[in-house]
Amino acid sequence: QLQLQESGPGLVKASETLFLTCTVSGGSINSNGYYWGWIRQPPGKGLEWIGSIYHSGSSYYNPSLKSRVTISADTSENQFSLKVTSVTAADTAVYYCVRDHGNWAMDYWGQGTLVTVSS
Amino acid sequence: DIVMTQTPLSLSVTPGQPASISCKSSQSLLQSDGKTYLYWYLQKPGQSPQLLIYEVSSRFSGVPDRFSGSGSGTDFTLKISRAEAEDVGVYYCMHGVDNPPTFGGGTKVEIK
Repeated sequence: QLQLQESGPGLVKASETLFLTCTVSGGSINSNGYYWGWIRQPPGKGLEWIGSIYHSGSSYYNPSLKSRVTISADTSENQFSLKVTSVTAADTAVYYCVRDHGNWAMDYWGQGTLVTVSS
Repeated sequence: DIVMTQTPLSLSVTPGQPASISCKSSQSLLQSDGKTYLYWYLQKPGQSPQLLIYEVSSRFSGVPDRFSGSGSGTDFTLKISRAEAEDVGVYYCMHGVDNPPTFGGGTKVEIK
């Protein structure tokens, strides 16, 4: 059974960098045909796709966040990570890591981790 | 960006009765490969979203057959044939045709 687990600080100061890691178990991020991505959900609000990465290193980002976001993968650790720079209160959200089966079919989700940006 | 509009915002359903949610996209989701990349997700209270339906009408693994999806082009529908208590939560449609994929605003379903 594929499982994804987010980890990282729950509190980040405004203007600093948010960094989260997703650890994948029960499957390999090297598997062909799958992308690995991040989605976020501000408290009480809807869902926003952040970006995805393929094991080859190819990455794709939401244009609205592209200037501040980097997704990277560590195939040796079976992990992928999210970095968001210059965070503001608007970046406060539950962050989910996901497996993307192609064409943004997000078929497996982590449990999510709340990141709060403090002033 | 493609705008996904869901109606209604909320729905109260009696157990055993049907329910229907509409999703409209601001442009056609039919792609040159002949497929339509429209998905439905359910976020149960306190949980992560889970994939219910992909490519308009295909149920994801383990999804009960009381859930069905239909539609084409810009108009799509999710139907629950006989609602059960475990179907409570927020339902989201989402397109997967270009960057960025966007979600509808969600439909909150409660079971009476």
